[in-house]
Amino acid sequence: AQSVTQLGSHVSVSEGALVLLRCNYSSSVPPYLFWYVQYPNQGLQLLLKYTTGATLVKGINGFEAEFKKSETSFHLTKPSAHMSDAAEYFCAVSVTGANSKLTFGKGITLSVRP
Amino acid sequence: NAGVMQNPRHLVRRRGQEARLRCSPMKGHSHVYWYRQLPEEGLKFMVYLQKENIIDESGMPKERFSAEFPKEGPSILRIQQVVRGDSAAYFCASSPQGTGYGEQYFGPGTRLTVT
Repeated sequence: AQSVTQLGSHVSVSEGALVLLRCNYSSSVPPYLFWYVQYPNQGLQLLLKYTTGATLVKGINGFEAEFKKSETSFHLTKPSAHMSDAAEYFCAVSVTGANSKLTFGKGITLSVRP
Repeated sequence: NAGVMQNPRHLVRRRGQEARLRCSPMKGHSHVYWYRQLPEEGLKFMVYLQKENIIDESGMPKERFSAEFPKEGPSILRIQQVVRGDSAAYFCASSPQGTGYGEQYFGPGTRLTVT
């Protein structure tokens, strides 16, 4: 079975500062990895995904993530935070053959200080 | 192309009543997933359906919960005899393909409150 660990429940950064949200996964087979963002009272929006190929993936809104197999990590970064980035961020994993169901981490709330 | 539609967006039920949550997938998508989000937790998989078939219901509680995705019409998640612990946000997602890397498109959710 797959699992995702997102350490900490809340991250606070200043506007313009680096955003780093950590995600570690566990999977016995090659994983597919995703980051989703959820704004209050809304559904989830896909930020980016890793399937195969290039390990550094770029997503929407200036976010990117790097798949590191040796560290079983898929951390999300953005060089410069914007106030509009304040939201909850979920890391998720799926594997082929598992009906593509997503296994989510508990999520991290990102706050951006002016 | 309209996104995934869910209704109602908010639903209030008294303990013991039934709750019916509807999900219309994106056009051209024939795979539907239901997830539940409890307060302070991430989303938990409940069930995966294709048209007229339940493919994986390993995340569904054994009692009171059922799901369907008929040939015509939306997918329905049904909760009978609701209890306070059923209060949560229920999200539907759709995909044009079931296996593979699993990119899914989420609806806005139905927030169920049991009083």
